[in-house]
Amino acid sequence: SYELTQPPSLSVSPGQTASITCSADKLGNKYTSWYQQKPGQSPVLVIYQDKKRPSGIPERFSGSNSGNTATLTISGTQAIDEADYYCQAWDDYSAGGYVFGTGTKVTVL
Amino acid sequence: QVQLQESGPGLVKPSQTLSLTCTVSGGSISSRPYYWNWIRQHPGKGLEWIGYIHYSGSTYYNPSLKSRVTISADTSENQFSLKLTSVAAADTAVYYCASDSSGRREWFDSWGLGTLVTVSS
Repeated sequence: SYELTQPPSLSVSPGQTASITCSADKLGNKYTSWYQQKPGQSPVLVIYQDKKRPSGIPERFSGSNSGNTATLTISGTQAIDEADYYCQAWDDYSAGGYVFGTGTKVTVL
Repeated sequence: QVQLQESGPGLVKPSQTLSLTCTVSGGSISSRPYYWNWIRQHPGKGLEWIGYIHYSGSTYYNPSLKSRVTISADTSENQFSLKLTSVAAADTAVYYCASDSSGRREWFDSWGLGTLVTVSS
């Protein structure tokens, strides 16, 4: 099966940049999406098609995807950005359907 | 954007069938190019995609759950449903319904609030 690997956790100081990676074989050949999930809430789409932001998502969220790694970058991180983040792609290599990354807990301190 | 809301029993006994319904508002489940999905999240864990029903009626399931999952749609009620058979404690999770409006199976842009289903006798 196709697996998307993320670091379990990441700590960032307010105002600094947080970069969350998502790694898989030839991931750069696929579109990757990113979701933010706060405790007790549903996930929210923050990036789609590698780098596009849905309406209402702040400009400090950006994305990129190349080679085997997709990256979600939060510039000028704020306390409200503290959440779990998941990457997601469609697995057409092993017919696995939609696959999610393992998730990264971002702590702002 | 459409709005989605899950409903169904919060407690299911082991070996029985879990049944949930997702009611869609703000759009028709027969509208192209939507994919209508079920996703679950085990307590304190990550997200797991269960399967989808396309606006055309075709379905696709996670290979790891395929033998136990059925997703169907009721266009008259603008709902789609999940049935998961032979449940066990490992099926205890928050179950979400979500829509993919990309038409290309790329992203989930609307999510329900989720419903916790506990499998216990």
